[in-house]
Amino acid sequence: GDSVTQMEGPVTLSEEAFLTINCTYTATGYPSLFWYVQYPGEGLQLLLKATKADDKGSNKGFEATYRKETTSFHLEKGSVQVSDSAVYFCALRRTGNQFYFGTGTSLTVIP
Amino acid sequence: GAVVSQHPSRVICKSGTSVKIECRSLDFQATTMFWYRQFPKQSLMLMATSNEGSKATYEQGVEKDKFLINHASLTLSTLTVTSAHPEDSSFYICSAPSGTGNYGYTFGSGTRLTVV
Repeated sequence: GDSVTQMEGPVTLSEEAFLTINCTYTATGYPSLFWYVQYPGEGLQLLLKATKADDKGSNKGFEATYRKETTSFHLEKGSVQVSDSAVYFCALRRTGNQFYFGTGTSLTVIP
Repeated sequence: GAVVSQHPSRVICKSGTSVKIECRSLDFQATTMFWYRQFPKQSLMLMATSNEGSKATYEQGVEKDKFLINHASLTLSTLTVTSAHPEDSSFYICSAPSGTGNYGYTFGSGTRLTVV
């Protein structure tokens, strides 16, 4: 069945460091891929998405490229800030409304 | 933007008691609400889908008599964990389609349930 595997956290980085959170997926067909972010005390918010192979989603300095050949959708940011501290979820959706999420990766950025 | 208010954010209850979790759509009508749960070190998994005015649809392995879902209005869906046991301790979160297109989903902030 469909599934998402993302790197386990927690991840702690210094401000301005480079961030990579790995995400790989298993799915038949051509799913849409997403990164959601959950800031403390808030709901999950869509960070970025990609709907087909080689698409690059980007938002707030974060990027992720839909790589069908490696079934990956790694999240990257060149220079993290303290305000990026949150839990990040990778997810896929094929048809219908059901999302398949990863376990979430907690990121803490220290000044 | 669209907001789903979920309460409580944290709850501790004794084994055998029932706990109700509410999700309210504050500025849009949620005809559908998705309920997810996340056990420690596992993924967020869809438990059930509720539709206003009809019975909820449960995913395989989820006990419908234990997890009662009510979606009586277009702005409120509730999940009641009946006769809770420690193994029900989990993170529960709701989500509703809220925008145009296929990607407008709004999530609640989640409820951390601990059964002691």
